[in-house]
Amino acid sequence: GAVVSQHPSWVICKSGTSVKIECRSLDFQATTMFWYRQFPKQSLMLMATSNEGSKATYEQGVEKDKFLINHASLTLSTLTVTSAHPEDSSFYICSALTSGGAIEQFFGPGTRLTVL
Amino acid sequence: AQSVTQLGSHVSVSEGALVLLRCNYSSSVPPYLFWYVQYPNQGLQLLLKYTSAATLVKGINGFEAEFKKSETSFHLTKPSAHMSDAAEYFCAVSVGRGQNFVFGPGTRLSVLP
Repeated sequence: GAVVSQHPSWVICKSGTSVKIECRSLDFQATTMFWYRQFPKQSLMLMATSNEGSKATYEQGVEKDKFLINHASLTLSTLTVTSAHPEDSSFYICSALTSGGAIEQFFGPGTRLTVL
Repeated sequence: AQSVTQLGSHVSVSEGALVLLRCNYSSSVPPYLFWYVQYPNQGLQLLLKYTSAATLVKGINGFEAEFKKSETSFHLTKPSAHMSDAAEYFCAVSVGRGQNFVFGPGTRLSVLP
């Protein structure tokens, strides 16, 4: 149980274009989802917390107009990187909390974004 | 605010040897503690978690960790390393139910034949 998927697993795009990454909870309802960014050989850095039906809460230093997060349903959150630049190239990982009160986050497999 | 340190960014052990990955935390309130494993280009998989029920926590794949409040530590151990254990390991602390996760910098474990 508690499986989280991400799509796509990898994406290559040109500078200036927008890219959407989906995060789905497959077998549970996720009232809260998180988006992390991970640079090579580094730890995960929380970008934002999204709650179903409300605006995401962004961490300090994360541009909300560049990283658009939508959590329209209890099983889907999307991250859109707008006007992507090479410095946005990274590994993006989402995670989710179950509505059942579990204390751990369940992580997706990640999406590798490369901006040319 | 809580924080996590992991001593040793890279640990190498021989196959069959003891694995010890260190994690120290800082928290003003009783924490929840976690160990996650990450294989290359993959997400994080939960190895084990501390929820205050027992100080010695057993996880998957033969790993276990002991919570020591006096030392603010939560070190991860495995009696006998296997080649498949080679991965990146992250310790994390949380002070809410699933919220406010803070990850350590990670320790890369290499297992030598």
